[in-house]
Amino acid sequence: AQKVTQAQTEISVVEKEDVTLDCVYETRDTTYYLFWYKQPPSGELVFLIRRNSFDEQNEISGRYSWNFQKSTSSFNFTITASQVVDSAVYFCALSEAWTGANSKLTFGKGITLSVRP
Amino acid sequence: DAGITQSPRHKVTETGTPVTLRCHQTENHRYMYWYRQDPGHGLRLIHYSYGVKDTDKGEVSDGYSVSRSKTEDFLLTLESATSSQTSVYFCAISEGNSGRDEQYFGPGTRLTVT
Repeated sequence: AQKVTQAQTEISVVEKEDVTLDCVYETRDTTYYLFWYKQPPSGELVFLIRRNSFDEQNEISGRYSWNFQKSTSSFNFTITASQVVDSAVYFCALSEAWTGANSKLTFGKGITLSVRP
Repeated sequence: DAGITQSPRHKVTETGTPVTLRCHQTENHRYMYWYRQDPGHGLRLIHYSYGVKDTDKGEVSDGYSVSRSKTEDFLLTLESATSSQTSVYFCAISEGNSGRDEQYFGPGTRLTVT
């Protein structure tokens, strides 16, 4: 069975600090997909990124970067020069590739990030 | 933004009453999902649909039923609401279900069962 662990539950930083959110996953599949979602205080869930298991290149998008390492089953998310608007709950999620049955998305429990001015 | 609406957005109901939540999409996506979000649990899948009249259970389906009579609408019914079903309910949609398809979420419904 697939599992996602976000061991950090709450992180508090001061604006402009860098912060890394950890995500460790478990799966028996060789083909799978990893996702990050953001849930700001307004409550909606916003898709941030998808990564497939064959692509270990790091991804950078502005102040956001993602480090995928199959050797440690981790898909960590770093925010550089954090801002107050980054305050949110961040979810990591895992989906196994379609095997003839409907694929399901498994979420971690989320990390609450607070960025103080 | 994906065109997903949920109604109602907030509801307070009494234990033992039936409750129906509605999810409506304008994207014509085949797959629709219902999740509940609780502190310390993240999001957990209740039921999902892979087409009109085609539904299946998720990991926390007890006490819930769903129906999908049209592509755009997915209903979640709590047959007899209990306090343990107090939660925030999210609907999601995806174009495919191969594993690589990201899901897009509605704004959520906050349900309180007293």
